[in-house]
Amino acid sequence: EAQVTQNPRYLITVTGKKLTVTCSQNMNHEYMSWYRQDPGLGLRQIYYSMNVEVTDKGDVPEGYKVSRKEKRNFPLILESPSPNQTSLYFCASREGTGYMNTEAFFGQGTRLTVV
Amino acid sequence: KQEVTQIPAALSVPEGENLVLNCSFTDSAIYNLQWFRQDPGKGLTSLLLIQSSQREQTSGRLNASLDKSSGRSTLYIAASQPGDSATYLCAVSRGTGNQFYFGTGTSLTVIP
Repeated sequence: EAQVTQNPRYLITVTGKKLTVTCSQNMNHEYMSWYRQDPGLGLRQIYYSMNVEVTDKGDVPEGYKVSRKEKRNFPLILESPSPNQTSLYFCASREGTGYMNTEAFFGQGTRLTVV
Repeated sequence: KQEVTQIPAALSVPEGENLVLNCSFTDSAIYNLQWFRQDPGKGLTSLLLIQSSQREQTSGRLNASLDKSSGRSTLYIAASQPGDSATYLCAVSRGTGNQFYFGTGTSLTVIP
């Protein structure tokens, strides 16, 4: 079954404690991206990757890092989480980039709370 | 910067009614527009993708239209069912096609 898998689904952490949210897709998609969803603000893009070792900033990249060492994985790293990063996070992937982009597939979401 | 707006924010209709959800965007230089549904506690499910060269797409009871020049898209749902209750989001891609901008969604409730 084609899917995007995020882990963990729920996470409560303390300010400043580094954490990683994993994202994996089994569709051999080139493009992967991360979003955060906040009430009244909708989904906002954090980072995206067009292929292995190729990443770029989205709308709200501050406080986040990503890496793309393998095509299937795109982890989101919070080096020093702060309470304003409490949010619902989604990972997505799709085949192709730029002009060739197709429909996007989303993971189930990770609800992060930073206290 | 691209701004995407969805009106209304919430909508409640009786079962069987046809309905239209609206999405507007400020920058007409888009590559495609995609409609999603989001159920509580779950991820986003893709409904329809319209490329910038297309005017509409259909899937079952759903029909999405795109008017790039006016910066508008509509999602038409025919013969609504309680199972259609969800939040509907539209997203546009622009720039190199790799940046996505989402609307804040329309929460739909279909009353049996």
